[in-house]
Amino acid sequence: DQQVKQNSPSLSVQEGRISILNCDYTNSMFDYFLWYKKYPAEGPTFLISISSIKDKNEDGRFTVFLNKSAKHLSLHIVPSQPGDSAVYFCAADLLLKAAGNKLTFGGGTRVLVKP
Amino acid sequence: GAGVSQSPSNKVTEKGKDVELRCDPISGHTALYWYRQSLGQGLEFLIYFQGNSAPDKSGLPSDRFSAERTGGSVSTLTIQRTQQEDSAVYLCASSLTPISDTGELFFGEGSRLTVL
Repeated sequence: DQQVKQNSPSLSVQEGRISILNCDYTNSMFDYFLWYKKYPAEGPTFLISISSIKDKNEDGRFTVFLNKSAKHLSLHIVPSQPGDSAVYFCAADLLLKAAGNKLTFGGGTRVLVKP
Repeated sequence: GAGVSQSPSNKVTEKGKDVELRCDPISGHTALYWYRQSLGQGLEFLIYFQGNSAPDKSGLPSDRFSAERTGGSVSTLTIQRTQQEDSAVYLCASSLTPISDTGELFFGEGSRLTVL
């Protein structure tokens, strides 16, 4: 049972346009959400996060939106750049627990930004 | 070191052999995690260490998998009698303890395991 789903395995966008990546989750207990970016042959790196008490968090070109009622979050990248081409993973966490930051990841979305 | 270090970066083995994968976390990070990514799949949680103890082993797929951590630092993931379905990239991550304010994990580059 996948608790975090990224239904679009890939996304192609023109340089300068907006990239929108979507993520859905089923566990209503998740209270923290993160996006990680992964280049080939490298480990994932943290990109941006959002707490369940917020509905938006912005960091430069990256904005994450959270819709708790719909159990949906999205990552917007604007403007998209060729260096943004990577696999993006959505992850969810239960902060109010005793067992560390065990993240539940989605399957990833491969983004290709065309020059 | 400055980041999470994993070795070997690549391992090819024959079905039925045992393998050991090593992780050296960021200095000062007492929480350590093992994940794996099979081809075309997302990251799958395997095990979590807090210091030398493993309060959460719920992700280990079978009793052929085990992990240990000594000295609150280096961890070894051991897979016995490897099977072809064990082929994956095994990722180690560390974080500040007990719970990072941001939930951010710092990942190594992974160990790619291929079982022939």
